[in-house]
Amino acid sequence: NAGVMQNPRHLVRRRGQEARLRCSPMKGHSHVYWYRQLPEEGLKFMVYLQKENIIDESGMPKERFSAEFPKEGPSILRIQQVVRGDSAAYFCASSPPGRSNYEQYFGPGTRLTVT
Amino acid sequence: SQQGEEDPQALSIQEGENATMNCSYKTSINNLQWYRQNSGRGLVHLILIRSNEREKHSGRLRVTLDTSKKSSSLLITASRAADTASYFCATDAGGNKLTFGTGTQLKVEL
Repeated sequence: NAGVMQNPRHLVRRRGQEARLRCSPMKGHSHVYWYRQLPEEGLKFMVYLQKENIIDESGMPKERFSAEFPKEGPSILRIQQVVRGDSAAYFCASSPPGRSNYEQYFGPGTRLTVT
Repeated sequence: SQQGEEDPQALSIQEGENATMNCSYKTSINNLQWYRQNSGRGLVHLILIRSNEREKHSGRLRVTLDTSKKSSSLLITASRAADTASYFCATDAGGNKLTFGTGTQLKVEL
């Protein structure tokens, strides 16, 4: 049973370009979460999705950031017109359907560098 | 400010010693979780303790939770060099959204 997969592992973008980060949850998991980690800091929640639904996006910046989790395929975190401040590690996590009080399984992260 | 704040920020011990890390939080929670992160890597889940539990063990790990003080501790016994990592507590106040602390950097020296 493969763990949470994220790609790419490293992404370099110039200011103004778009960044697309992909996350495939663990098999059988239908809840996906995105977190951002700035250097030397803890993770900050961004968004919580279930298949075709955004459940909680309270941590998403109001502009340039969007997330989706389609019926088929991976979850995508999209950052438009990136700026240097977007440089960070972005982690995806997943958990089983219909359950709470269970751990989230994290992927290896995508390290975004904006030059 | 952070929901979870770990103390100390950094800890350096000798192999074989015990390491204790503390976490404080501000709001009511459903559960509290501890994660480990090796430098530049993803997070590994260590242990989850529910709000109605007071203590939990897993191998060399022991976690306590005091909801009246809104605090938790993680004890690693008989530490090894491989335990060197950053340790984060994360709280779930409901809604499956985890709020992470700033972490404790543990260094275990030979």
